[in-house]
Amino acid sequence: AQSVTQLDSQVPVFEEAPVELRCNYSSSVSVYLFWYVQYPNQGLQLLLKYLSGSTLVKGINGFEAEFNKSQTSFHLRKPSVHISDTAEYFCAVSEKAAGNKLTFGGGTRVLVKP
Amino acid sequence: EAQVTQNPRYLITVTGKKLTVTCSQNMNHEYMSWYRQDPGLGLRQIYYSMNVEVTDKGDVPEGYKVSRKEKRNFPLILESPSPNQTSLYFCASSILAGVDEQFFGPGTRLTVL
Repeated sequence: AQSVTQLDSQVPVFEEAPVELRCNYSSSVSVYLFWYVQYPNQGLQLLLKYLSGSTLVKGINGFEAEFNKSQTSFHLRKPSVHISDTAEYFCAVSEKAAGNKLTFGGGTRVLVKP
Repeated sequence: EAQVTQNPRYLITVTGKKLTVTCSQNMNHEYMSWYRQDPGLGLRQIYYSMNVEVTDKGDVPEGYKVSRKEKRNFPLILESPSPNQTSLYFCASSILAGVDEQFFGPGTRLTVL
C-alpha cells in the first residue's frame, strides 16, 4: 500500500524568506502527485499537481515542486513567503494500481512570521 | 459558483444518536469522497463513490455509511456515533478519481460526547 511522509510537522519561517516542505512517498508503480493547501477554517485547495512530463511543476501563488523518481520525493518550494502563506500544506499521492486512490501525508503547518 | 457544500458546519452530539452530514456538489462530478482529518494523521478516506449507486470503502469505513442516489449528493451517516468519531470531516468531488483536482467542502466539525 502506498504511504506519504511529510517530514516536518511544523515549519516556522520569516516573511520574504524561502521555504521548502518535504514529501516522500512509497510506491513502486506510476504515481500522480499533488500538493494541497488548507487555510485556517477552510477546506483544501489544489496548489499544483504532477501527472507526467517535466519534473518541475509550477503552481499557484508562486509555489513550485520537483518530482524526483529515484528518491520518491515531491518537495514543495517557494522562494519568498508572505504572511498570507500561513496555512497547512498536504502532499498527496495516487497510483494507477490502486484505482487512483488518493493518499494524503500528515500535513506540514507553515507559520510565517513578520 | 462551482462549489461543494456541507451541512452542518458544526455539530455536537451524544454517543449513539444517529446523525447525517449532507454533501452536495454542483459541478456534475462523477467521483465523490468523504475524509476525516485528525491532527498529525492528515486526511484519511472513509468512503468514496465512482458514480450513482456505486460506493466503496476507503481506509477507515468502520462506523460510517454512505449512499449515492443522485449524482450531486453524497451524505455521510453515523448510525451510532462514538467519541472516537470526533473529528473534522470533509467531502470532496472531482471529475475522475486520483487524476483531477478534488474540490473540497468547507468541513464539518463533529464532537461526540
